[in-house]
Amino acid sequence: KNQVEQSPQSLIILEGKNCTLQCNYTVSPFSNLRWYKQDTGRGPVSLTIMTFSENTKSNGRYTATLDADTKQSSLHITASQLSDSASYICVVSAGVGYGGSQGNLIFGKGTKLSVKP
Amino acid sequence: ETGVTQTPRHLVMGMTNKKSLKCEQHLGHNAMYWYKQSAKKPLELMFVYSLEERVENNSVPSRFSPECPNSSHLFLHLHTLQPEDSALYLCASSQEGRGDTEAFFGQGTRLTVV
Repeated sequence: KNQVEQSPQSLIILEGKNCTLQCNYTVSPFSNLRWYKQDTGRGPVSLTIMTFSENTKSNGRYTATLDADTKQSSLHITASQLSDSASYICVVSAGVGYGGSQGNLIFGKGTKLSVKP
Repeated sequence: ETGVTQTPRHLVMGMTNKKSLKCEQHLGHNAMYWYKQSAKKPLELMFVYSLEERVENNSVPSRFSPECPNSSHLFLHLHTLQPEDSALYLCASSQEGRGDTEAFFGQGTRLTVV
């Protein structure tokens, strides 16, 4: 069964600290892995998207890694800011299906990050 | 703003009401989607429209009725909903036909059924 598991479920850190969020998946076939940031009450916004051959990708203070052998990904946030408080969702694509490119997306439940001053 | 606009942002409706959610995308995309996001659950894909034709309906109850009059607009008509239908409803769009492409999401409509 295709699944995406994220940990921890929630995390509280102090402003300026670093943190790492985890994503484990059992999705086949694998097309790409995406990390989204979702502010409370708003839609998800894409941070990174990685294909099978990419091990790491950065977007400012966000760095995502992918180990396709162990089927694990992580999202590292450096020098956290209050605006980083949000849910971070890991999404794995099983490729283009009957429903187009969005028809085969497997979503994680997200990690809720709170950055405190 | 992401180029995908949803209205209203918040909606409270009774179980006997009829209401509609609206989504408009300004990105020139050819596919649009409705997702449901309930508390502590992953996003659930509800409907997919590609080139204004519905290509997927993920076993959604008939009290949800989508409509796509053109490639820029998508509606979700609601009637006789249940309290468990309370959730954040997200619209998204993408450009299909270029392999595995990315979707852009709207801000969502927070729906409360009382």
